[in-house]
Amino acid sequence: GAGVSQSPSNKVTEKGKDVELRCDPISGHTALYWYRQSLGQGLEFLIYFQGNSAPDKSGLPSDRFSAERTGGSVSTLTIQRTQQEDSAVYLCASSWGTPGEKLFFGSGTQLSVL
Amino acid sequence: RKEVEQDPGPFNVPEGATVAFNCTYSNSASQSFFWYRQDCRKEPKLLMSVYSSGNEDGRFTAQLNRASQYISLLIRDSKLSDSATYLCVVNDGSRNAGNMLTFGGGTRLMVKP
Repeated sequence: GAGVSQSPSNKVTEKGKDVELRCDPISGHTALYWYRQSLGQGLEFLIYFQGNSAPDKSGLPSDRFSAERTGGSVSTLTIQRTQQEDSAVYLCASSWGTPGEKLFFGSGTQLSVL
Repeated sequence: RKEVEQDPGPFNVPEGATVAFNCTYSNSASQSFFWYRQDCRKEPKLLMSVYSSGNEDGRFTAQLNRASQYISLLIRDSKLSDSATYLCVVNDGSRNAGNMLTFGGGTRLMVKP
C-alpha cells in the first residue's frame, strides 16, 4: 500500500482479555517501530525491528507485551491479560532503516480496556 | 527532568499572527532534531528537520541552539489549518537504535479566525 496500515482502528476489550494489533509497513521499509501514546502524552517507544536483526524490546512495559514481525514485513503487537492502564493509541511507524531518520506513521489503533 | 520538554500550551493565536515554540533537550550529545505535526486523532507527520544553521520552509522556520540545548519552531502568518499539536523529536545517538528518537509531549496550537 501507499502508507503504513494498522488494524483495527479501534479495539474495545474487557480487562484480562488478550488483544492483537496489526501493522503493515510501507513496502521496502526495513525498520518498524511500535509506540504508545496516552491522552495528552508524548510517544512512548515500545519495540523496534530492523531487518533480520534481533528486535530492540527495551521499551516494552511488561512481559504481557510482545511483538513479532513475520517475513520482515507485517508486525503484530500482542498484549496479554489487558489492564485498564493499557488503554492508549498504539502507533506503528516504518522507515528505510537508518536510525533516527524520518518515520512514517500509521493512523494507529485506539485500544480501550474496560 | 524530562529528556525532551515542551510547553503543552495551548497557544491561542489569531490568523496572521506569528507564533514560536521552544523545545529543550537534556542530552548535550543529541545528534539530530525534528518537528512533527500531529492533527487531532491523527498520526504524527514530519514537518521539518532542524539543521545546525537553521532552516526555513515557507512560513516555517526551525532553529537549533546547541549551547542552550533547545530548538525552536517559528510560524509566520498563521493559518487556521496550522492548528495542530507540534511534537519536538530528538535523536539521541547514544541509545539502542530503536530508542534513539525521543518525542516531546507536544505543544498545541489553536489558530482562531
